[in-house]
Amino acid sequence: GAGVSQSPRYKVAKRGRDVALRCDSISGHVTLYWYRQTLGQGSEVLTYSQSDAQRDKSGRPSGRFSAERPERSVSTLKIQRTEQGDSAVYLCASSQGCNQPQHFGDGTRLSIL
Amino acid sequence: EDKVVQSPLSLVVHEGDTVTLNCSYEVTNFRSLLWYKQEKKAPTFLFMLTSSGIEKKSGRLSSILDKKELFSILNITATQTGDSAVYLCAAVKETSGSRLTFGEGTQLTVNP
Repeated sequence: GAGVSQSPRYKVAKRGRDVALRCDSISGHVTLYWYRQTLGQGSEVLTYSQSDAQRDKSGRPSGRFSAERPERSVSTLKIQRTEQGDSAVYLCASSQGCNQPQHFGDGTRLSIL
Repeated sequence: EDKVVQSPLSLVVHEGDTVTLNCSYEVTNFRSLLWYKQEKKAPTFLFMLTSSGIEKKSGRLSSILDKKELFSILNITATQTGDSAVYLCAAVKETSGSRLTFGEGTQLTVNP
């Protein structure tokens, strides 16, 4: 379809391992965001990138989260040295621009054992 | 620190009831407020509110923003079981790349 697509839908990893989550945004959207949803902390932004920037602008102080954007409509969220507290749903969203609403993918549910 | 607070956190009503969901915000360089509906998967966009006092409507849903009192409400009239979902409110800043600051959400359950 024409929406935001994320893969995989579910991911299980052992604590300490690195994981990579993929997002295919809507064609033509320039800004891309990664959010994390947990029961205890709600939804919070992790990273975002604008237009042709391939590197993210991290919304979080932790250096373990980073995103790369090899193509305008593709982003990969990388989490290094995963911790059990990283277990959450990771949502990707994109928008046409700063004054446009963000549209979300279905998310990747990550479980860290 | 930027903050978005939604109330109530949980609400159970019967079909046909009207509900009002509240969202208050304390956000520096505020630009706009968005409402999303989240069922089992992705949050789906409902409204974007930028100007104060202008009601936005979509079917049985409507929303309005008060930039003086720093809050927004989402109204749903004649509720249906399909309205059961988490409703998320999020603020957008002028700066910081327009990323969203979310409230915790209101879990709405509409019983038949």
